Amino acid sequence: AIQMTQSPSSLSASVGDRVTITCRASQGIRNDLGWYQQKPGKAPKLLIYATSSLQSGVPSRFSGSGSGTDFTLTISSLQPEDFATYYCLQDYSYPLTFGGGTKVESK
Amino acid sequence: QLQLQESGPGLVKPSETLSLTCTVSGGSISSSSYYWSWFRQPPGKGLEWIGSIYYSGGTYYDPSLKSRVTISVDTSENQFSLQLSSVTAADTAVYFCARRLRVGSGVYYIDYWGQGTLVTVSS
Repeated sequence: AIQMTQSPSSLSASVGDRVTITCRASQGIRNDLGWYQQKPGKAPKLLIYATSSLQSGVPSRFSGSGSGTDFTLTISSLQPEDFATYYCLQDYSYPLTFGGGTKVESK
Repeated sequence: QLQLQESGPGLVKPSETLSLTCTVSGGSISSSSYYWSWFRQPPGKGLEWIGSIYYSGGTYYDPSLKSRVTISVDTSENQFSLQLSSVTAADTAVYFCARRLRVGSGVYYIDYWGQGTLVTVSS
């Protein structure tokens, strides 16, 4: 199975900050990576698919980049509603595997 | 607007079989673009993929669960189901059903999720 290593596991940031979260795959996954946001008690929400494609309705402050084994989710200017946990998911091969998650907390 | 809703017992005894159904409304389950999937999240932990089923019945399971998992689809009822046998406390989790969409050439993503249902394994 492809291992997804996500970092950091948590971070503290303020509204307006630029936030960067990374995921590293244990082998190449082309650009078959998505980013999901999850708030407590809720289902995950798709933000980015295919590494850099913004899901419809998702604010443009979210962006994704990378290819092969290294991927990044960037929030250009953190908003109050962005405090949540973020997960990467590789969709290149079965079994589908998630990163361990990054909890974005208020500083 | 597509909606997915999980249903099933919230409490299952150890060694028994966990059974959940996901009812899809607002769209058809029968499309060559969809893989209907189950995920779970143990309390306070991360997300895990359990398995997926194609509308025609082809299945894909996580190897760590494969011996205990069965996912099936009922196109007439617009539902798909999860069965997990011989459960233990380690199977206690929120279980989510979801739609995995295939677009274009080899691009997939999960665009719709159920709200999730907590299943506790306890005697």
